[in-house]
Amino acid sequence: DAKTTQPPSMDCAEGRAANLPCNHSTISGNEYVYWYRQIHSQGPQYIIHGLKNNETNEMASLIITEDRKSSTLILPHATLRDTAVYYCIVRPNTGGFKTIFGAGTRLFVKA
Amino acid sequence: DTEVTQTPKHLVMGMTNKKSLKCEQHMGHRAMYWYKQKAKKPPELMFVYSYEKLSINESVPSRFSPECPNSSLLNLHLHALQPEDSALYLCASSQVARGPLNEQYFGPGTRLTVT
Repeated sequence: DAKTTQPPSMDCAEGRAANLPCNHSTISGNEYVYWYRQIHSQGPQYIIHGLKNNETNEMASLIITEDRKSSTLILPHATLRDTAVYYCIVRPNTGGFKTIFGAGTRLFVKA
Repeated sequence: DTEVTQTPKHLVMGMTNKKSLKCEQHMGHRAMYWYKQKAKKPPELMFVYSYEKLSINESVPSRFSPECPNSSLLNLHLHALQPEDSALYLCASSQVARGPLNEQYFGPGTRLTVT
């Protein structure tokens, strides 16, 4: 499975957009990019996933570069409740059952 | 209902005890997972069940014994644990184990302390 690189921590002002980068330069053609987050003392929460097109749902937007070597998760209007560890994961579409979590980015949303 | 429930929320056990963790989902998912998470670390995959069959065991010591009695239930039986096994144990489920319908829904976890 491809590995991902994320900054260990980021700050964001409440009400502003939070842009969380992820590098996955060794991603294969059949691997999806998934994002999860984990708020303190809770189980991880699925946010969004994509293959090559940009995706948007009620929680966030996912922008994947054309070469698919990196992606950005965008929380359009961050709130204090978005303070969490955000995990970027790549996993294949076929074969394999594993979801391997990296170290993630600790996002602090400040008032 | 998109909820995965886990019981108990907290568990303290001695090294000679036998206990079980329970996980339940009613989303019709056919894949279920156990993860272990130490403090300030990411979750680590332990076991994967697909259609009630064990598909992945990530070289987990035999003192951890998973069981999937039916498609909605997942148990983790614990016996002769060590203090270093103290951690948050997370259960998750997904529609299937492979493919793009793999987004996982996690329970709140069981915080286990081994004394």
